[in-house]
Amino acid sequence: GEDVEQSLFLSVREGDSSVINCTYTDSSSTYLYWYKQEPGAGLQLLTYIFSNMDMKQDQRLTVLLNKKDKHLSLRIADTQTGDSAIYFCAEVGSSNTGKLIFGQGTTLQVKP
Amino acid sequence: DAGVIQSPRHEVTEMGQEVTLRCKPISGHNSLFWYRQTMMRGLELLIYFNNNVPIDDSGMPEDRFSAKMPNASFSTLKIQPSEPRDSAVYFCASSPFPNQPQHFGDGTRLSIL
Repeated sequence: GEDVEQSLFLSVREGDSSVINCTYTDSSSTYLYWYKQEPGAGLQLLTYIFSNMDMKQDQRLTVLLNKKDKHLSLRIADTQTGDSAIYFCAEVGSSNTGKLIFGQGTTLQVKP
Repeated sequence: DAGVIQSPRHEVTEMGQEVTLRCKPISGHNSLFWYRQTMMRGLELLIYFNNNVPIDDSGMPEDRFSAKMPNASFSTLKIQPSEPRDSAVYFCASSPFPNQPQHFGDGTRLSIL
């Protein structure tokens, strides 16, 4: 079945780079997404990558997609305390109806 | 532009009561999704509409749950009767078309006592 896996926790120092990893199972996914959730808030769409791309860069964010290994990563350069949040990876399910399959979320802790 | 608007933000009620959650999608978006988030199960899709028509309701947990979308700018998720295990954060999301990025509301935090 469809499944998305993420590590649960990452701790970095302010100014360092953060890399959050995700693996997925559905090779037919058209889009892969990264969402950010701050405490008590909804999910904020951070960035997404189309399945025919290997990399996408957006300011401090870099998304890398390895389709062979079904591996997605999000790199945050110069991590700030305001980046502390839960980050969710999601893929569009094989039914292509738009149903998102979410990972468990990675809690990013940024230490000053 | 206004994002997805959900109401109420918080709801506390006793078990057995009817609960109605509301959502206004982003104007022009044709697809609307209802999700539930719990610590145990993470984020789960409950139901999804396209052009106001329910397409996939396989995630709706029981007959106690129902959802409607009477027009393009409004949807409701109803639980009747509510139970303590329904306590969760319920999110509504919308997208221009089914496979395009979804934008989420701030959610309704529901507590059933």
